[in-house]
Amino acid sequence: EDQVTQSPEALRLQEGESSSLNCSYTVSGLRGLFWYRQDPGKGPEFLFTLYSAGEEKEKERLKATLTKKESFLHITAPKPEDSATYLCAVGGTSYDKVIFGPGTSLSVIP
Amino acid sequence: ETGVTQTPRHLVMGMTNKKSLKCEQHLGHNAMYWYKQSAKKPLELMFVYSLEERVENNSVPSRFSPECPNSSHLFLHLHTLQPEDSALYLCASSQVHLTDQPQHFGDGTRLSIL
Repeated sequence: EDQVTQSPEALRLQEGESSSLNCSYTVSGLRGLFWYRQDPGKGPEFLFTLYSAGEEKEKERLKATLTKKESFLHITAPKPEDSATYLCAVGGTSYDKVIFGPGTSLSVIP
Repeated sequence: ETGVTQTPRHLVMGMTNKKSLKCEQHLGHNAMYWYKQSAKKPLELMFVYSLEERVENNSVPSRFSPECPNSSHLFLHLHTLQPEDSALYLCASSQVHLTDQPQHFGDGTRLSIL
């Protein structure tokens, strides 16, 4: 069965303290792995799509990487405005839908 | 307007009321989705429409009834809801209904059942 887990559940960082969020997945035939950012009271905002192992995407202080079993969202020198919940989702060939992980709640302290 | 718009943003209703949630997308997409988001749980897919045809119904109770009159509009009709139905209801759209396509979300309707 397709499955997505994320760790840690919550992360507190000092401003400027770089770190990584993990998304581990089990899927038959990965078709796409997606990262989203969700602010309180808002819907998820699309960040990246990764399609194959070894692929990397960057946007400002965020960099997403992909292996055959997991993806990392690296945050370099974070700022308080990076505080949000980050969601990972995967689409595979066995189910006709995208499976979402539970998310990582990131807090960046000034 | 751009993106995906949901109304109302907040809704409080009694268990015997009937109400509807509305979603409109301005992205020219052909697939639309309803999700339920509860605290501490991953997003749960409820319904999928592709080119105005329902293609997925994830064992959702019949007290939730979707409607897709055209590719830009999606409704979720609610009746005789239960307290456990209180949640954030999110609408999303994608270019086509394929699992390699990113979905774009609205800001949701926060539903509270009294």
